[in-house]
Amino acid sequence: GAVVSQHPSWVICKSGTSVKIECRSLDFQATTMFWYRQFPKQSLMLMATSNEGSKATYEQGVEKDKFLINHASLTLSTLTVTSAHPEDSSFYICSARQRVGRVYEQYFGPGTRLTVT
Amino acid sequence: GQQVMQIPQYQHVQEGEDFTTYCNSSTTLSNIQWYKQRPGGHPVFLIQLVKSGEVKKQKRLTFQFGEAKKNSSLHITATQTTDVGTYFCAGLQGGKLIFGQGTELSVKP
Repeated sequence: GAVVSQHPSWVICKSGTSVKIECRSLDFQATTMFWYRQFPKQSLMLMATSNEGSKATYEQGVEKDKFLINHASLTLSTLTVTSAHPEDSSFYICSARQRVGRVYEQYFGPGTRLTVT
Repeated sequence: GQQVMQIPQYQHVQEGEDFTTYCNSSTTLSNIQWYKQRPGGHPVFLIQLVKSGEVKKQKRLTFQFGEAKKNSSLHITATQTTDVGTYFCAGLQGGKLIFGQGTELSVKP
């Protein structure tokens, strides 16, 4: 099946710094990628939808100036958490969508665990 | 807003017992997907249901999609300790995958 990778798998940063997370579709081109956030014992919450070559669409309540998303190519999307604070500590998961015939299939990356101290 | 409700939140069963989790959407879904997440891991895709009334089986797992495409269920027959984890349904609405709250399954040997 299709593979989506994320880097780094975990990161610890100090409050006030910025962190960049990469999401790559390894063996397919993804015109659309999604970024999710998951707090402990909670579900995945969609943060934004990223389309290659255009601006990301953010879900209600997600600050676009704090969570910068760039989808510069068909295989790479990045999420930058700017001026991170402890409340941004979470599990960030990306997902890439591929069209297979008439159906869209969505594949998830392994996630990035961010801890802000 | 778009919501996918999932119950129960937790389920503790004895090994060998059956388990069912239910998913309900306020709006019609294009399709519904099921994922399993082990503690510390990421969601792993299990299956996708597209057609109204569809039923699919994967060994001990049975997935159903309601006639109105608003609800779905996952049933595990004779649970094993390897079934432990959180099961999420996710409905496709307007091109976006919206996740239910998940059902955490624990299995006592």
